[in-house]
Amino acid sequence: KAGVTQTPRYLIKTRGQQVTLSCSPISGHRSVSWYQQTPGQGLQFLFEYFSETQRNKGNFPGRFSGRQFSNSRSEMNVSTLELGDSALYLCASSLEWGFTEAFFGQGTRLTVV
Amino acid sequence: DQQVKQNSPSLSVQEGRISILNCDYTNSMFDYFLWYKKYPAEGPTFLISISSIKDKNEDGRFTVFLNKSAKHLSLHIVPSQPGDSAVYFCAARGNFGNEKLTFGTGTRLTIIP
Repeated sequence: KAGVTQTPRYLIKTRGQQVTLSCSPISGHRSVSWYQQTPGQGLQFLFEYFSETQRNKGNFPGRFSGRQFSNSRSEMNVSTLELGDSALYLCASSLEWGFTEAFFGQGTRLTVV
Repeated sequence: DQQVKQNSPSLSVQEGRISILNCDYTNSMFDYFLWYKKYPAEGPTFLISISSIKDKNEDGRFTVFLNKSAKHLSLHIVPSQPGDSAVYFCAARGNFGNEKLTFGTGTRLTIIP
């Protein structure tokens, strides 16, 4: 069974640009969550989607948005990139919303210059 | 507001000895706790979990202990092996608006051969 797939793995963008990251969950999983990891900050929750609906949202500005498609695949978008947005963005999939274990992808390393 | 805290950023343990990683939480609505292990440039890997109705859960070399009154959990690894060197994150989730996984900032465990 394939794991969680995130694309691209690495990305370099310029300040002010926008970026879209993609996540394909484990087959059969319907919930997708996004996290931002920066040094010293651990994993900060961005948002969680289930059945194409955002179920939870973390404390990030409106520049961070996401969506989920009918096949459970999810995308997150960051507009007007800032240097501080440089981070590892991780996607996790769960069988259902609020389900106990979440399985992570390898992440997308975003560098903003 | 850090609801899940790992106060030790790093820990070094001799190979073959016991590794004890600690985690404290403040939100009494949390009812499920998880430990994840993370290698550089990879996503976190689920290790072991515990429900709030239990105080101990074992899986091979890994044991998680939960002290609800103290809002404290710990992960014991016995015996420690070089491959255990990684960053360990504890995470918690609950119900009624607390369904998202809330992570600690991680503890870097180094096993000394």
